[in-house]
Amino acid sequence: DTEVTQTPKHLVMGMTNKKSLKCEQHMGHRAMYWYKQKAKKPPELMFVYSYEKLSINESVPSRFSPECPNSSLLNLHLHALQPEDSALYLCASSQASGRSAEQFFGPGTRLTVL
Amino acid sequence: AQSVTQPDIHITVSEGASLELRCNYSYGATPYLFWYVQSPGQGLQLLLKYFSGDTLVQGIKGFEAEFKRSQSSFNLRKPSVHWSDAAEYFCAVGPYSSASKIIFGSGTRLSIRP
Repeated sequence: DTEVTQTPKHLVMGMTNKKSLKCEQHMGHRAMYWYKQKAKKPPELMFVYSYEKLSINESVPSRFSPECPNSSLLNLHLHALQPEDSALYLCASSQASGRSAEQFFGPGTRLTVL
Repeated sequence: AQSVTQPDIHITVSEGASLELRCNYSYGATPYLFWYVQSPGQGLQLLLKYFSGDTLVQGIKGFEAEFKRSQSSFNLRKPSVHWSDAAEYFCAVGPYSSASKIIFGSGTRLSIRP
């Protein structure tokens, strides 16, 4: 299985809502990533988890809270978002050790904040 | 500073014509180079990657890329494009280690003329 899955595909939320994005992979990868992508822009790295521990946080606002409950799952908890947070949120995974930086991406969750 | 430059924002080629997408990078250490493709509303798919060895790299879907150290370039080529190749293409650079940040170029949108 060489697939990264993300749910939901689309999400509409108000600024006072709390929601979560979910990402799953069964490739045995121990590094997982969250990216944010605005229209017509490249992906921007938000967080990196390595062996279920947060290893990189790109100064992301606290209204985004990542969680890695096990080696296959990665969640992104959302609370009190702003309209400018509307974007495509991409999850990726890769090996966490050795010389292989290739990242496998999921299809993304299209988030709209009203 | 580490950066990736894709000088062409948008390219239109006729179906069956050859294609070359340009990518230049600036990276302090030996880079790990990637080309990803993204169809509208989808995640990113890896086309090919390069770290060492033969400077001409073959990828999926008939794409190839050539690494030129002297020019800090990693241009993507295809001898004959198909309508299904219409998408956004991202060049990226990263360290040769896992669970690390990779830097994306701004992307080149490819349109195919029938």
